[in-house]
Amino acid sequence: GQQLNQSPQSMFIQEGEDVSMNCTSSSIFNTWLWYKQDPGEGPVLLIALYKAGELTSNGRLTAQFGITRKDSFLNISASIPSDVGIYFCAGQLRSGYSTLTFGKGTMLLVSP
Amino acid sequence: DGGITQSPKYLFRKEGQNVTLSCEQNLNHDAMYWYRQDPGQGLRLIYYSQIVNDFQKGDIAEGYSVSREKKESFPLTVTSAQKNPTAFYLCASKATSGGYNEQFFGPGTRLTVL
Repeated sequence: GQQLNQSPQSMFIQEGEDVSMNCTSSSIFNTWLWYKQDPGEGPVLLIALYKAGELTSNGRLTAQFGITRKDSFLNISASIPSDVGIYFCAGQLRSGYSTLTFGKGTMLLVSP
Repeated sequence: DGGITQSPKYLFRKEGQNVTLSCEQNLNHDAMYWYRQDPGQGLRLIYYSQIVNDFQKGDIAEGYSVSREKKESFPLTVTSAQKNPTAFYLCASKATSGGYNEQFFGPGTRLTVL
């Protein structure tokens, strides 16, 4: 199956810094989802995007559905230690399609 | 409390044994999914079911089997034919009405085959 290109693969930042990560594909998606996974746990949904150009926030997190519908971005502002984890993007190719395509994840480490 | 439960959290089995992983949801979702996660990898789809008594193979179905006899339950059996079964297994569910595409995940089961 197809995978999304997610970058960067990992990030090590200082507390208080802003973070940006993205997912790209050669295919057009009609839904973009961003998840966070803590070690040993299941992914938790952070943000869902359904329209090209859509910009959605959830606290310090902001995600955007790219205009070309082939990419999405997640920004975390003023990072804190509990932001540590793996962030996954996921996309649905078209309406009625029942499965998601996942990126390989961005591991975020935050130094206090 | 609505959600998805997976049990057990940790599972150990000897090589050559079949093992069944449990997944239950009380979200009234029609669709359910099984994923496998290996270190440094994304999530790979094993099987999915959009309705009771029906399921489809995902990208890595070989060596696995599922059943969907009840809406709430979607157990996964890892058979002895699966060549490398040690992994973290995640179950997810999704509503199929309302136009939403969000999948919600359970806490996972870590399977170790000795």
